[in-house]
Amino acid sequence: QSALTQPRSVSGSPGQSLTISCTGTSSDVGGYKYVSWYQQHPGKAPKLMIYDVNRRPSGVPDRFSGSKSGNTASLTISGLQADDEAAYYCCSYVGSYFWVFGGGTKLTVL
Amino acid sequence: EVQLVESGGGLLQPGGSLRLSCAASGFTFSTYSMKWVRQAPGKGLEWISYISTTGSTMYYADSVKGRFTISRDNAKNSLYLQMDGLRAEDTAVYYCARADTGSFDLWGQGTLVTVSS
Repeated sequence: QSALTQPRSVSGSPGQSLTISCTGTSSDVGGYKYVSWYQQHPGKAPKLMIYDVNRRPSGVPDRFSGSKSGNTASLTISGLQADDEAAYYCCSYVGSYFWVFGGGTKLTVL
Repeated sequence: EVQLVESGGGLLQPGGSLRLSCAASGFTFSTYSMKWVRQAPGKGLEWISYISTTGSTMYYADSVKGRFTISRDNAKNSLYLQMDGLRAEDTAVYYCARADTGSFDLWGQGTLVTVSS
């Protein structure tokens, strides 16, 4: 199972909105509703930000939203803040109790 | 406090063995499936293993199948990863994570495993 494809880096200014894409295939992203997104600050553990494509865990700001179209999932962050600067990973269930992550996207707040 | 705490990492030579532990607290451990995820230095996340609530079902990524064994002790609220035949490419921070339907909703702080001669 190959890793999902994410852009290596994205950047934006405070207050702006940006979207991180996550492209897979019909065997992973396109085939299941179990797409999730994780935020990871340097030296820290990942944190769940979005699950089941577009659901937010309790405590995650509504500035974070998720969506999916075909084999591509997206994470949108609106009202960008300095603390949003981190690495973001998408993840998809691929069946038979297997999961695959994306390669990660480094978000820089200018 | 709801948390997972890994332990057992260290430095060892290729071919060696190591057992990682993950202590759960603050939630009913026996009602959650669990997973191990690793992250090589400067690299992305890689799911490597899953275990069901009772421990009767386990799955492994191809990269570790046949060398790593996941287990759990619900009486001790603990998850384990026995790693045998370690290779340099197994060098990584190993995270235990709680499974919630299709996602990983709670993570430990990670434990570093370094395989080097």
